[in-house]
Amino acid sequence: DAGVIQSPRHEVTEMGQEVTLRCKPISGHNSLFWYRQTMMRGLELLIYFNNNVPIDDSGMPEDRFSAKMPNASFSTLKIQPSEPRDSAVYFCASSQVSYEQYFGPGTRLTVT
Amino acid sequence: GQNIDQPTEMTATEGAIVQINCTYQTSGFNGLFWYQQHAGEAPTFLSYNVLDGLEEKGRFSSFLSRSKGYSYLLLKELQMKDSASYLCAVRGESGYSSASKIIFGSGTRLSIRP
Repeated sequence: DAGVIQSPRHEVTEMGQEVTLRCKPISGHNSLFWYRQTMMRGLELLIYFNNNVPIDDSGMPEDRFSAKMPNASFSTLKIQPSEPRDSAVYFCASSQVSYEQYFGPGTRLTVT
Repeated sequence: GQNIDQPTEMTATEGAIVQINCTYQTSGFNGLFWYQQHAGEAPTFLSYNVLDGLEEKGRFSSFLSRSKGYSYLLLKELQMKDSASYLCAVRGESGYSSASKIIFGSGTRLSIRP
């Protein structure tokens, strides 16, 4: 299996622009998680899906953030408009219910 | 509230043993994980405890005491490649679905010196 796939790996954008991060979970996994990691705040859970349904989005910082999972093999995290404080590494992870999570390589986002 | 505490940094010597502690206070408990994260890379799974006691996996062992809200990760025969951050994570209570979210601690940065 190719593991969790994320794109792009690096994104540099200007404040105010829309950013879309993409994730393909491991085939057969029915839970998908979006995390953000910074030096100051560590690894934060933003939202997670079970069987393509959003279960808990309490970690989404603001209405500028939205996430979708239209099918079992694809999810997006969108930031509109982006701000410099959104600069972080965004990880997507997937798992089978009650098992460990497998993380993708992450997207390093820089907003100038 | 939910809280996971672990030391920020630790240093140990190559070939030695180190113990990284984690204490937690969460709404419900459905398991504790340890992850390793090298600088610039994604976290990778090390161990999972759901019952009290010690789980051993090669050079790494993880211990859990649910009554004390306490876990530790024990690394033996330390190697330079063990220099990384170690994240303690707890799965709390389940929602209406069987996928309950996992809360991560801030991580312990372990440095191995020759």
